[in-house]
Amino acid sequence: GDSVTQMEGPVTLSEEAFLTINCTYTATGYPSLFWYVQYPGEGLQLLLKATKADDKGSNKGFEATYRKETTSFHLEKGSVQVSDSAVYFCALSATYGNKLVFGAGTILRVKS
Amino acid sequence: DAGVIQSPRHEVTEMGQEVTLRCKPISGHNSLFWYRQTMMRGLELLIYFNNNVPIDDSGMPEDRFSAKMPNASFSTLKIQPSEPRDSAVYFCASSLVLTEAFFGQGTRLTVV
Repeated sequence: GDSVTQMEGPVTLSEEAFLTINCTYTATGYPSLFWYVQYPGEGLQLLLKATKADDKGSNKGFEATYRKETTSFHLEKGSVQVSDSAVYFCALSATYGNKLVFGAGTILRVKS
Repeated sequence: DAGVIQSPRHEVTEMGQEVTLRCKPISGHNSLFWYRQTMMRGLELLIYFNNNVPIDDSGMPEDRFSAKMPNASFSTLKIQPSEPRDSAVYFCASSLVLTEAFFGQGTRLTVV
């Protein structure tokens, strides 16, 4: 079945450091790919998405590119802030708007 | 729109009691999802509905769990009888075809 694998955390960075969180997937066909973020005590919020190969999703300084050849969707940000501390989930959907399959989540801690 | 609304936000109950979690999806959305989040298993899809009809309930752990969607604006997830291992955060999400899923803030369930 479909699955998502993302790097284990926690990831601890200093403010203004570069962030990469790796995500790879296994799926049949051409899934849509997402990054969701969960702040403490909150629900999940969509951070960015990509619906086809080579699409780049971006939001709030975060970016991820849909790489079909490597089945990857790595999350990057050039300069993290303390307010970016959260749990980040990579996810796929076989049909856009359909059920999501999530990775295990990666805790990001940014220290000032 | 107020987003996906879940109630209660927190629920503490004794083992053996019936628990009902409630969800109001975003108006106009035609898909609704129930997810469970635990430290051990991450985010798991329990069931999802399309146009109020259950499409996939393969994630429902056992017969103690049941879900209904009597109309487009309301869904319930019921656990009867509850057990300590049901303790988790339960999320409801809704979407429209060709859009991303929007999540509620979750219900934190503790069964003692």
